Amino acid sequence: RKEVEQDPGPFNVPEGATVAFNCTYSNSASQSFFWYRQDCRKEPKLLMSVYSSGNEDGRFTAQLNRASQYISLLIRDSKLSDSATYLCAVNGNAGNMLTFGGGTRLMVKP
Amino acid sequence: DAGVIQSPRHEVTEMGQEVTLRCKPISGHNSLFWYRQTMMRGLELLIYFNNNVPIDDSGMPEDRFSAKMPNASFSTLKIQPSEPRDSAVYFCASSSLSGGEETQYFGPGTRLLVL
Repeated sequence: RKEVEQDPGPFNVPEGATVAFNCTYSNSASQSFFWYRQDCRKEPKLLMSVYSSGNEDGRFTAQLNRASQYISLLIRDSKLSDSATYLCAVNGNAGNMLTFGGGTRLMVKP
Repeated sequence: DAGVIQSPRHEVTEMGQEVTLRCKPISGHNSLFWYRQTMMRGLELLIYFNNNVPIDDSGMPEDRFSAKMPNASFSTLKIQPSEPRDSAVYFCASSSLSGGEETQYFGPGTRLLVL
């Protein structure tokens, strides 16, 4: 089993739709969680950190479920510009090393 | 503020040649990471440094790969000899150890094609 797993998608949704991605992790000792966004032929960029109590940034909501060992990302009122690959990242056993999931591709269509 | 800087942005070389990738982390960051990304394997950590010291190089594929960080503002990843299967995008990322903040900031990457 991979340390961090994501459904690769693609998720094809119309503009304005709400879409959610999950990311499961295997290391129960993980303490830090992140969502990154990667556009085609670009580097990953931090979208948001995921806090234990859940957090929201505009149309984006991130949640953590420690019992089931997954994090989620919810995008409301999706825009064409949200089309990208979303990578989750979880800190590993030591220091500040992160393990990334394989990414979930989102395509928002008119 | 300048982000992570990588060079070259693109590299095309022939099998057997030596390839050197360069990275300048964000000023003040004391952790540096080298990743490789391919369609098949996704984003893989190759090696990372804390305060210029290699901490974990278990992701380095084999002896053909080596990485150095001679000072806080510069790191290299070298492949010698290169092989076609090394073709990938190589990212460098940096973060700050202070305050337990693990957010990593990525450079634009080097697209390597080995013919």
